[in-house]
Amino acid sequence: KAGVTQTPRYLIKTRGQQVTLSCSPISGHRSVSWYQQTPGQGLQFLFEYFSETQRNKGNFPGRFSGRQFSNSRSEMNVSTLELGDSALYLCASSLTGQRYNSPLHFGNGTRLTVT
Amino acid sequence: AQRVTQPEKLLSVFKGAPVELKCNYSYSGSPELFWYVQYSRQRLQLLLRHISRESIKGFTADLNKGETSFHLKKPFAQEEDSAMYYCALESTFGDGTTLTVKP
Repeated sequence: KAGVTQTPRYLIKTRGQQVTLSCSPISGHRSVSWYQQTPGQGLQFLFEYFSETQRNKGNFPGRFSGRQFSNSRSEMNVSTLELGDSALYLCASSLTGQRYNSPLHFGNGTRLTVT
Repeated sequence: AQRVTQPEKLLSVFKGAPVELKCNYSYSGSPELFWYVQYSRQRLQLLLRHISRESIKGFTADLNKGETSFHLKKPFAQEEDSAMYYCALESTFGDGTTLTVKP
C-alpha cells in the first residue's frame, strides 16, 4: 500500500502570501489530520477531517483552513502568511481517527519557509 | 482540556541499561493513548497503543489511570532505539523525548 503522500516537499513564500498544501492519504483511510511541527512548539494539532467534514480543530487562527475531498485527499491553506508560520506541516491519515483507537500514519511533511 | 506532558526533553542511557520514557496526561474521559517514534531521517510512525497491550521492539507501556501516566519502558536498551519518542492522547501530542543509547 502506498503511504501518505504530501506535496510539495518544500515551499518558500513571502509574508502576506497564501499557500496550499496537499495530502493524499493511504487508500481506504477516511480521516486526515494536519499538524504543525516546530522546534520550539513540538507537534501542534491543526484540524482533522473525516468524510469531507471537519471533525476536530486545534487552537490556530482562522488564517489556517482545510478541506477534504470525496476521495479523502485533503488540502490545507494558510492565508496572509507570517514569519511565524515557518514550520514543517505534517499530514496523517487514519482509518477512523485516533479518538477511535485508529493510529495515525504520517507523511514526510511539507517544509514551509516564510521570508 | 487534553494535555500530554513528557517531562524529559533528552534522555541518555548506555546500551543494555533499562530505559523509561515518561508520559503524563490530563483527560476527563477514557483515554486513547499512543506512543510514536521518529528515527533519524524517517517519518513519524506508530510504536504502540495502550489498547493493544502489546510489546513492540521490546517496548511496553502500561496505562496507570490513578497516576494518569503511560510510561514507555524497555528492559535492555539497544543503540538502534536512539530516536525521538512522542506520547499522544487522541489528537494531542507531547513535546517529545530524544533518546540516545550510548555504546
